[in-house]
Amino acid sequence: EIVLTQSPGTLSLSPGERATLSCRASQSVDSKYFAWYQQKPGQPPRLLIYGASSRATGISDRFSGSGSGTDFTLTVSRLESEDFAVYYCHQYDGSPPYTFGQGTKLDIK
Amino acid sequence: EVQLVESGGGVVQPGRSLRLSCAASGFTFSDHYMDWVRQAPGKGFEWVGRTKNKEKTYTTEYAASVKGRFTISRDDSKTSLYLQMNSLKTEDTAVYYCATFISGYPYWGQGTLVTVSS
Repeated sequence: EIVLTQSPGTLSLSPGERATLSCRASQSVDSKYFAWYQQKPGQPPRLLIYGASSRATGISDRFSGSGSGTDFTLTVSRLESEDFAVYYCHQYDGSPPYTFGQGTKLDIK
Repeated sequence: EVQLVESGGGVVQPGRSLRLSCAASGFTFSDHYMDWVRQAPGKGFEWVGRTKNKEKTYTTEYAASVKGRFTISRDDSKTSLYLQMNSLKTEDTAVYYCATFISGYPYWGQGTLVTVSS
């Protein structure tokens, strides 16, 4: 099973700042099968990035994904109030079980 | 537009059974593998299981935590996915999502809440 470890656990930033979230895999993941989600309380996850770097439909270009192999990054430039939420990484490469990171909470400073 | 709509959640006592459904539309359902994912309250996501398509003889795979208790099935004629949950435990309390991956693009439903409590 591929373990995904997200860091930091909590990130406290101010609106207008840049957020950099990390996700490290215990073994190499095909970047075609790597995604990032945003989740707010009481809501389902919202797909932000798929294929490690492709923005999902309707997602602002302030969100960008990068990385390959075992190290992946989600960057949110110029934070806005609606960006403060929990972010999860997800790999769905090869055979199950597909796994998720434990989440990074992006807090308003 | 791909749509996945779960239903069937509710409150159930430990040891009892519940069946969830997922109605799919907007894509060729019969061609694709379908998955169930869950999220316990205040926790992260856990992949539950999947059913492959007819070409792959509807093979199913399960997480160790539910194997032997949960059964995934599908009805391609109704474009529907099912999750039969038996011998439910309190730790099965979660929002259950159906999901599919089309050309690497993940699609999720809105989820249905299952609460296992006496």
